[in-house]
Amino acid sequence: NAGVMQNPRHLVRRRGQEARLRCSPMKGHSHVYWYRQLPEEGLKFMVYLQKENIIDESGMPKERFSAEFPKEGPSILRIQQVVRGDSAAYFCASSLYGGGNTEAFFGQGTRLTVV
Amino acid sequence: KNEVEQSPQNLTAQEGEFITINCSYSVGISALHWLQQHPGGGIVSLFMLSSGKKKHGRLIATINIQEKHSSLHITASHPRDSAVYICAVSFNAGGTSYGKLTFGQGTILTVHP
Repeated sequence: NAGVMQNPRHLVRRRGQEARLRCSPMKGHSHVYWYRQLPEEGLKFMVYLQKENIIDESGMPKERFSAEFPKEGPSILRIQQVVRGDSAAYFCASSLYGGGNTEAFFGQGTRLTVV
Repeated sequence: KNEVEQSPQNLTAQEGEFITINCSYSVGISALHWLQQHPGGGIVSLFMLSSGKKKHGRLIATINIQEKHSSLHITASHPRDSAVYICAVSFNAGGTSYGKLTFGQGTILTVHP
């Protein structure tokens, strides 16, 4: 049973390009969370999705960022027109249930560098 | 405000020493997680607690719900334990909760041989 798979592990984009980060949850998990870790800062919540639905996007910047978790395929975090400040490690976590007392499994992260 | 505070921020130890990392949080929670992150690496879940104490190998995690405090202990520390240890909680929100995590700043642990 493969763990949470994120790809790519490293992504370099020029300012103004688009970045697409993918997250395949553990088999059977329908709850996905995206977190961002800025350099020298702690992890911060971005968005919580359950198959085909965005449940909570309170941590996501209002512009340029979007997320989806389609019925088939991985969850995608999309950043349009990237800027240097978007350089960070982006982690996703998946869980079997949506409750607060549920174990979360993290991926290896995608390190985004904007040049 | 829902907050998570960890201490210390940095911790240096000699191999074999007993290590304690502390975590405090501000309001009621559903669960508290201890996570480990190696430099440039992914995040590994060590424990999830909602009460009491859990042990796995040389790692022990405790939580006191009344005092809103948790500790992670490492017995007989080893250089391979060097990593960032992160406390994270899922807060109760108006009687309901889900798995959204709020994180502490992390504790950078360095164990010297």
